[in-house]
Amino acid sequence: SAVISQKPSRDICQRGTSLTIQCQVDSQVTMMFWYRQQPGQSLTLIATANQGSEATYESGFVIDKFPISRPNLTFSTLTVSNMSPEDSSIYLCSVESGDGYTFGSGTRLTVV
Amino acid sequence: AQSVSQHNHHVILSEAASLELGCNYSYGGTVNLFWYVQYPGQHLQLLLKYFSGDPLVKGIKGFEAEFIKSKFSFNLRKPSVQWSDTAEYFCAVIIPGSARQLTFGSGTQLTVLP
Repeated sequence: SAVISQKPSRDICQRGTSLTIQCQVDSQVTMMFWYRQQPGQSLTLIATANQGSEATYESGFVIDKFPISRPNLTFSTLTVSNMSPEDSSIYLCSVESGDGYTFGSGTRLTVV
Repeated sequence: AQSVSQHNHHVILSEAASLELGCNYSYGGTVNLFWYVQYPGQHLQLLLKYFSGDPLVKGIKGFEAEFIKSKFSFNLRKPSVQWSDTAEYFCAVIIPGSARQLTFGSGTQLTVLP
């Protein structure tokens, strides 16, 4: 199955700033998924990123707040823009791999 | 929209007790079903999955799950838990042929007492 390298693993950011999270996959994949896991809660899909087209966002998430890039079949970034304390979460990327899905190790974001 | 329900939010067991975690989904057609585990401080790992065939699926670490289509359920079981099974467990589904994103349940925190 695929291996995902996600970075940074954690960060503490000032409100109003932006953070870009990167995911690198060791194989080419068509779709990459970005999730958010708020404290004590389950994973919520933010968007699906296809190479060569704009990401598809889920209800409640917008491109201006969470811009995504997908420049090739092995890489994607998610930016959390104009951060507020409510954005403090774990952000994960995921790809379909074999018969299941592989997840990155996550980025633990704290906004102060 | 499809949804996944995990009714047990927190389960506390003693070592060697049997475990069953409930998972129900709302989609009426064919689904692919997964159980993931998240150990403290670690990332999500796949425990087991069901796509088709034998509805009793065996996964890693002695876990198994049974797909019961008539009940829209995919409950996770383990006959004898260990302290190292303390983790959060997530049920998830995808609809084949759709955008193929996972929809997760709210998770069940399992605490096993030594």
